[in-house]
Formats: sequence, C-alpha cells, structure tokens
Amino acid sequence: DIVMTQSPDSLAVSLGERATITCKSSQSVLYNSNNKNFLAWYQQKPGQPPKLLIYWASTRESGVPDRFSGSGSGTDFTLTISSLQAEDVAVYYCHQYYSTPLFGGGTKVEIK
Amino acid sequence: EVQLVDSGGGLVQPGRSLRLSCTASGFTFGDFAMNWVRQAPGKGLEWVGCIRSKGYGGTTDYAASVKGRFTISRDDSESIAYLQMNSLKTDDTAVYYCTRPRSEGTVNAFDIWGQGTMVTVSS
Repeated sequence: DIVMTQSPDSLAVSLGERATITCKSSQSVLYNSNNKNFLAWYQQKPGQPPKLLIYWASTRESGVPDRFSGSGSGTDFTLTISSLQAEDVAVYYCHQYYSTPLFGGGTKVEIK
Repeated sequence: EVQLVDSGGGLVQPGRSLRLSCTASGFTFGDFAMNWVRQAPGKGLEWVGCIRSKGYGGTTDYAASVKGRFTISRDDSESIAYLQMNSLKTDDTAVYYCTRPRSEGTVNAFDIWGQGTMVTVSS
C-alpha cells in the first residue's frame, strides 16, 4: 500500500511570508498513460469539512486564490502559500487517488 | 447549488449498528461515485469506502479497518448514499463525511463534501 508522509506536522509563518508543505508518497502517483499525478491538496478549518484546493498536483480549484500553488511529480509534492493571510490558518492535507485513497497526516499552519 | 447533507450520527454502544445517510442535490447523483471519509477527534482524514455509479458497475470498495463490518449502498432515485455500520467499535468514533469526486469517473479528487455527522461509540 502507498504511504503518504507530510511534513512538517506544523509550521508558524509571519503574515505575508511564504509557507511550504511537502508530501511524499512511497510509490509514484504519476499515471503514465495520461501524464497526470493523482495528488490533491485540501484545506480544513475547525468545525468544517475539507475544502479542495489543488488537484492533479498543480491545478487550482475554481475560486481558490492564486497564492496557493501545487508542484511536484511522481513521489514528491509541495503546496506553497506564497503570501500567508490570516484566513489561511488551517490544517492542510495531501491526498493520493492513484490507488486506494489515502491522506497525508496533515500540516497545521499558524501565524507567527 | 451542488450540496451533500450528512445525517444519522449519534451515540451508540459498542457492538451495535448505525446507518448514516448522505442526501445529494444540485447534480445528477447517479452519474457519480460516492465516498465516505471519517475523522476521529483531533486526528486526520481516513477514507472509509466508496460505491461506484451504476455506469461503472455500482461496485464497492472499503478500507481494511471497516471491511466486513461496513456496507455502502445507494438509492439513485432518491439521490441518497448510505453507510451501514455494524459491529461498531470505540475506534469508529469520528465525524463521518460523504464526498463526491470531481468527475463522473471514480478516480478523482473530492470536490464536494457533506458537513459531516458525528458518530460516538461508547458504553
């Protein structure tokens, strides 16, 4: 089974600064026939369901601010918040849907 | 508006059963697979299982932790997905979310989520 490892578990970033979260898969989630990485990122705020931010590793969901971006391929992926805003305080999860769906352990983002 | 509404949660004793419902609106329910994801208090997200659309065979898959105890079904005429949970354990205590993939095929990110329903298994 694929194992998803997210890091760090938490990070504190100053307002306006960059936040970077990484997600590593134990196996490649790149599907060669369509050259797509089956990897998504979600944001979850307390008491709310997760919200899809990024799919296919780098495609931003409609309505998601462009300060959120995803990158990577194969087994190594990154979610970047280019300029942290107060409303970005949340827990972020990666999710591979290449095989049996599996989420990373989550990264809590706070304001420094 | 595309929406999923979860219901049916509550307090249940270990070993007992509970059925959750997920009522959909705003889209052609029968064209989409439906998934259940849970989140134990203070913990991360765990995929529970899915049911494919009739067009993809209507088959089901489950996480190892619930296989043989949980059953997912669907009523396309009512736009409802169900999660039947039997032989409940204290470890099943969680908020349960139903969620829909972005496209009609099974394999995609989850773009629509219910608000969640809390299941507490305790004596």
